[in-house]
Amino acid sequence: AQSVTQLDSQVPVFEEAPVELRCNYSSSVSVYLFWYVQYPNQGLQLLLKYLSGSTLVESINGFEAEFNKSQTSFHLRKPSVHISDTAEYFCAVSTSGTYKYIFGTGTRLKVLA
Amino acid sequence: GAVVSQHPSRVICKSGTSVKIECRSLDFQATTMFWYRQFPKQSLMLMATSNEGSKATYEQGVEKDKFLINHASLTLSTLTVTSAHPEDSSFYICSARVTGLAVEQYFGPGTRLTVT
Repeated sequence: AQSVTQLDSQVPVFEEAPVELRCNYSSSVSVYLFWYVQYPNQGLQLLLKYLSGSTLVESINGFEAEFNKSQTSFHLRKPSVHISDTAEYFCAVSTSGTYKYIFGTGTRLKVLA
Repeated sequence: GAVVSQHPSRVICKSGTSVKIECRSLDFQATTMFWYRQFPKQSLMLMATSNEGSKATYEQGVEKDKFLINHASLTLSTLTVTSAHPEDSSFYICSARVTGLAVEQYFGPGTRLTVT
C-alpha cells in the first residue's frame, strides 16, 4: 500500500525568503507524484507533477520539485516566496492502473510580510 | 483547459433530507471521476471512484447506500447524500481524470454541506 508523509503541518516564512515543503512517500511499485495547492474554501489546483523523465519539475509560478527515488521524496521548493503563496499544499501519490490518489496531510504555508 | 465545476457551492439542509451535488467536466471527457471528503484543516479522504456507465467503487468504511453516486455521462457525476445528518456536514470535492492515459486529476471548487 502507498502512503504519503508531509512532516511539516505549518511552515511560516518571511516574504522573499526561500522555502522547502517536504514530502516523502512509501510504495512498492512505481509512482506518479503531484503537488496541489488549495486556497481557503476552494478546490485543489495542480501545481506540478512527476510522471517520468526528468526528476526536476517546475511550475509556471516559480515552484519546483525534485523526485528522489533513493530517498523516496518529492520536496517542493521556491527560492523566493510571495504573500500570495500563502495556502495549503498537498502532496499526492498515484500508481498506474487505479489512478487513485493518496494524499499527505498537507502543509500550511504562511508567508509573513 | 481541464476545468471541473461543482454545483451547488454551498448547501444547507435539514436533518433527514437528501441533497444532490453535481460534478461536471466542462471542456473534456472524464471516464473516471472521484469524490472526496475534507474535514476542517485536514486532508482529502477518497470516498469513491465513479466510472461512466458502471457502478461506483467505494472506499472501505464509506456507506454506499448513504452516498449514492451516479456517473451517467462522460461529463457529469452526481453525489447524493441520503437522509443527511449533522455528522455528514463537510466539504465535498470531486475530481475528474481525462479519458485515456492521463494520470492527473483536476479538481472542482468543492461543495460545503451543512446539515442542521
